[in-house]
Amino acid sequence: SQQGEEDPQALSIQEGENATMNCSYKTSINNLQWYRQNSGRGLVHLILIRSNEREKHSGRLRVTLDTSKKSSSLLITASRAADTASYFCATGDTGRRALTFGSGTRLQVQP
Amino acid sequence: KAGVTQTPRYLIKTRGQQVTLSCSPISGHRSVSWYQQTPGQGLQFLFEYFSETQRNKGNFPGRFSGRQFSNSRSEMNVSTLELGDSALYLCASSYGSDYEQYFGPGTRLTVT
Repeated sequence: SQQGEEDPQALSIQEGENATMNCSYKTSINNLQWYRQNSGRGLVHLILIRSNEREKHSGRLRVTLDTSKKSSSLLITASRAADTASYFCATGDTGRRALTFGSGTRLQVQP
Repeated sequence: KAGVTQTPRYLIKTRGQQVTLSCSPISGHRSVSWYQQTPGQGLQFLFEYFSETQRNKGNFPGRFSGRQFSNSRSEMNVSTLELGDSALYLCASSYGSDYEQYFGPGTRLTVT
């Protein structure tokens, strides 16, 4: 079963705009990770944020984590057509030793 | 470093048959996890192996099994295939459960 939901389910923006995706989860976590998937291929790891961190940056990506609200957001700045993909959040729980994925956000960046 | 490799990439099987999928993790990674991805259920955890031991199993029937070898390579097996087993099967490797997981390209299984 899914840990939580991602919002929005689909997002269409123009190149150069920022894209924000949100993820909510239900249980206590050890870390939260974001992945990108192109057209049903393998997942590419983007960023990992631990439960004691509030914000993390990697290039054009910014991830925030609010454990009190059990939510995270991924911001992609200055988007490019190559950013078109599905984005998934996944929560990690040391006790369970497995990632629980959200339902994903399909991002379309129009050139 | 070479990435995670999965073989075969595509497979077509008939209901009732069995299938074995293979995964070679990134060198140095001892944890291998398997996930099933379908349009209806999304990404679901199958099982995780660490140093040849299954440490966790997802909510799948016993027809789904796996193993890990001493070189960390892993296989998963699905017996008595059903139409609903058609999916993308993804393997991921990592240093451990608290680290990033690196995914292979997946095996696309079609059951007819």
